[in-house]
Amino acid sequence: DQQVKQNSPSLSVQEGRISILNCDYTNSMFDYFLWYKKYPAEGPTFLISISSIKDKNEDGRFTVFLNKSAKHLSLHIVPSQPGDSAVYFCAASPVQGAQKLVFGQGTRLTINP
Amino acid sequence: KAGVTQTPRYLIKTRGQQVTLSCSPISGHRSVSWYQQTPGQGLQFLFEYFSETQRNKGNFPGRFSGRQFSNSRSEMNVSTLELGDSALYLCASSFEARDGYTFGSGTRLTVV
Repeated sequence: DQQVKQNSPSLSVQEGRISILNCDYTNSMFDYFLWYKKYPAEGPTFLISISSIKDKNEDGRFTVFLNKSAKHLSLHIVPSQPGDSAVYFCAASPVQGAQKLVFGQGTRLTINP
Repeated sequence: KAGVTQTPRYLIKTRGQQVTLSCSPISGHRSVSWYQQTPGQGLQFLFEYFSETQRNKGNFPGRFSGRQFSNSRSEMNVSTLELGDSALYLCASSFEARDGYTFGSGTRLTVV
């Protein structure tokens, strides 16, 4: 049972444009969400997080939006840069303060020059 | 400051053997978690240790175990290895979960 789903295995975006990565979840007990970026042969790198009491969190070029009623979150990267090419994972946690993250399958983002 | 260090980076074992992987968290981080990454299943949570106690556990068989030492370093052990245990094993540490977890580069285990 996939509780966190990233339905797009890959996404290709032109440099300078907006990249939008989507994630859906099914467990209404999740109340903390994170996005990670992963390069080959490296561990995931934390990008940005959002608590369920918010609907938006922004950090530089990265913004995460949370729609609790739709059980949907998205990561916006503006403007997209070649170095953003990587696999992006969304993750959810049922209790803030707990390490038990449930990850999506990942979306491979390619930024084209 | 130093990141999360995992050793060894690569490991090849034979079916039926056991293996121990090591993780040194970022200095001051008290929580250490382990994840398994496979192409088919993605990233799956194994267990989390906090102050030498297992605080959370994923849905893995008892062949997978771990421990944490007083200096927060952690080890995970897999006994009676199976071919399906071939994966990238990732360790993550944090001081408080809301800070976001820092992952190591992982140990690539191949079971032949």
